[in-house]
Amino acid sequence: GAVVSQHPSRVICKSGTSVKIECRSLDFQATTMFWYRQFPKKSLMLMATSNEGSKATYEQGVEKDKFLINHASLTLSTLTVTSAHPEDSSFYICSAKGQGNLFYGYTFGSGTRLTVV
Amino acid sequence: SQQGEEDPQALSIQEGENATMNCSYKTSINNLQWYRQNSGRGLVHLILIRSNEREKHSGRLRVTLDTSKKSSSLLITASRAADTASYFCATDASGANSKLTFGKGITLSVRP
Repeated sequence: GAVVSQHPSRVICKSGTSVKIECRSLDFQATTMFWYRQFPKKSLMLMATSNEGSKATYEQGVEKDKFLINHASLTLSTLTVTSAHPEDSSFYICSAKGQGNLFYGYTFGSGTRLTVV
Repeated sequence: SQQGEEDPQALSIQEGENATMNCSYKTSINNLQWYRQNSGRGLVHLILIRSNEREKHSGRLRVTLDTSKKSSSLLITASRAADTASYFCATDASGANSKLTFGKGITLSVRP
């Protein structure tokens, strides 16, 4: 079945540094990638949608200069949290949709727990 | 506001009992999906029901969809302690720019 690999699973970084999270579709071409953020005991909030080769579309209230999304290939999307601060600590999850992933259209990564100290 | 509002927000049952979770949504959908999430983990897709379907089964899961009421229910029969998790409904709208919108989630605790 469709598999999305997300790395790292956990990362701790110092305030002011940048962190990159990768999301790879292993057995299908992800024409669209979605990035979600989840606070403890809360639901998933969509941050942005990216189509391969295009600029990402950000949801209202999400700072595009802080959360840089790159979707340069059909199998890889990255989310970079720039100049991270403690309030950016959260669980980030990617989801991919694309060709060959037609059963339910979306495959989720296992998530990245970001802690900014 | 969030598309997809589940109720109850938290549910605690005894092992062997059935668990029913409800979800309501506001806009037109192409399909509705249910996911499970164990604490601190990723999402596990449980079941998808399309807008032209009314009921679907998968193992111990039964999902219904009432598009006239914009609501869905997920029934887990003969619950097990391992079913303890958060459950989310997510709606997928029609169109080329479709995306999943998640409800707030339900925390299910199954007591052994």
